[in-house]
Amino acid sequence: NAGVTQTPKFRILKIGQSMTLQCTQDMNHNYMYWYRQDPGMGLKLIYYSVGAGITDKGEVPNGYNVSRSTTEDFPLRLELAAPSQTSVYFCASSYSPGQANEQFFGPGTRLTVL
Amino acid sequence: AQSVTQLDSQVPVFEEAPVELRCNYSSSVSVYLFWYVQYPNQGLQLLLKYLSGSTLVKGINGFEAEFNKSQTSFHLRKPSVHISDTAEYFCAVSPLIYNQGGKLIFGQGTELSVKP
Repeated sequence: NAGVTQTPKFRILKIGQSMTLQCTQDMNHNYMYWYRQDPGMGLKLIYYSVGAGITDKGEVPNGYNVSRSTTEDFPLRLELAAPSQTSVYFCASSYSPGQANEQFFGPGTRLTVL
Repeated sequence: AQSVTQLDSQVPVFEEAPVELRCNYSSSVSVYLFWYVQYPNQGLQLLLKYLSGSTLVKGINGFEAEFNKSQTSFHLRKPSVHISDTAEYFCAVSPLIYNQGGKLIFGQGTELSVKP
């Protein structure tokens, strides 16, 4: 049981490049989330999904896209990387229903845009 | 809308001393409350949560937190800290709004540094 896994661990992008951050969970959780963590700012929700085929925007969705074709996978896409997207990205999942349940976090992807 | 304020960005403390990490929140609806811990270069893991019932909640690693509805606070405490407690601690709330996907709103984090 690996929990929530994220790849890559680290990545450096040039301005304007694109990339996909991968997230997979093996706990059969319906709910999945993408957060970004900036120093002194806590975690901000980018997008979330309540099940395969269903996604919705969080607090800071601009510059990102997501898809959820399977229960296990929830990739995050950056189309035109900007320096403001330099951050640590965390994927999380939880069993439905949402509010009372613990979110399980992956180890994070540290992204630098130069 | 909801917001979470962690009143201290850094808390240095000596080993075996008590510690309190403060968290206040603002919300127009009822919320669930959480404390998460992040060890260096790792993801977050749940320390404890308050859903209902007794306002004193016990978590892992000897931590506890007390929910105070009138002061909208959820402070985290440990009577005697260890070097291994050095980490960043996040307070979070989840609003009880139907069909909101269980979203968490996080505070800015408190860096606990335990010195020998």
